Amino acid sequence: NAGVTQTPKFQVLKTGQSMTLQCAQDMNHNSMYWYRQDPGMGLRLIYYSASEGTTDKGEVPNGYNVSRLNKREFSLRLESAAPSQTSVYFCASSEAGRTETQYFGPGTRLLVL
Amino acid sequence: GEDVEQSLFLSVREGDSSVINCTYTDSSSTYLYWYKQEPGAGLQLLTYIFSNMDMKQDQRLTVLLNKKDKHLSLRIADTQTGDSAIYFCAEILGGATNKLIFGTGTLLAVQP
Repeated sequence: NAGVTQTPKFQVLKTGQSMTLQCAQDMNHNSMYWYRQDPGMGLRLIYYSASEGTTDKGEVPNGYNVSRLNKREFSLRLESAAPSQTSVYFCASSEAGRTETQYFGPGTRLLVL
Repeated sequence: GEDVEQSLFLSVREGDSSVINCTYTDSSSTYLYWYKQEPGAGLQLLTYIFSNMDMKQDQRLTVLLNKKDKHLSLRIADTQTGDSAIYFCAEILGGATNKLIFGTGTLLAVQP
């Protein structure tokens, strides 16, 4: 099993450009999450999807949209990137009702100039 | 409010014990967790403790929970260079959101 995979591994954008971060898991998990990690801030939840077909806002959703394409895939879109969105983005998944046991992807490092 | 606090850095010598501390604010948290993040990698669940326990031991790891003071600690015995990483504590909020709140992370640097 590959676990949780994320693409791309890194990306450089100019302010105003758009991009989609992809995440896929092969563990048949119902729940998926997107976090951002910033120095001195820990991980902050952007959006999560408790199950296929549902998405909910987390702590810092502004400037992002998500799509739960199917049970395996959960994408994060930046419509108009801003320098404040420079961060490392982590996708995670867990079984339904087992939020504590989240499996994390390797992260996508994003720089917005 | 939701806030989990940790010191940012800890430096120890190989073979010594490391103690990483964390304070949290939500007294209704049912579980508290420790995650490890190695360079360039995602987070890995290291251990957790249920809120009605005050200690949990797992090989070189000991978790202590002081619920009255909302204080959680992770002790690593005989620290090795391979333990160098960022350690995050996290609490789970119950209710409708059922989400994890992470601390800022403590960078553990193990000196040979």
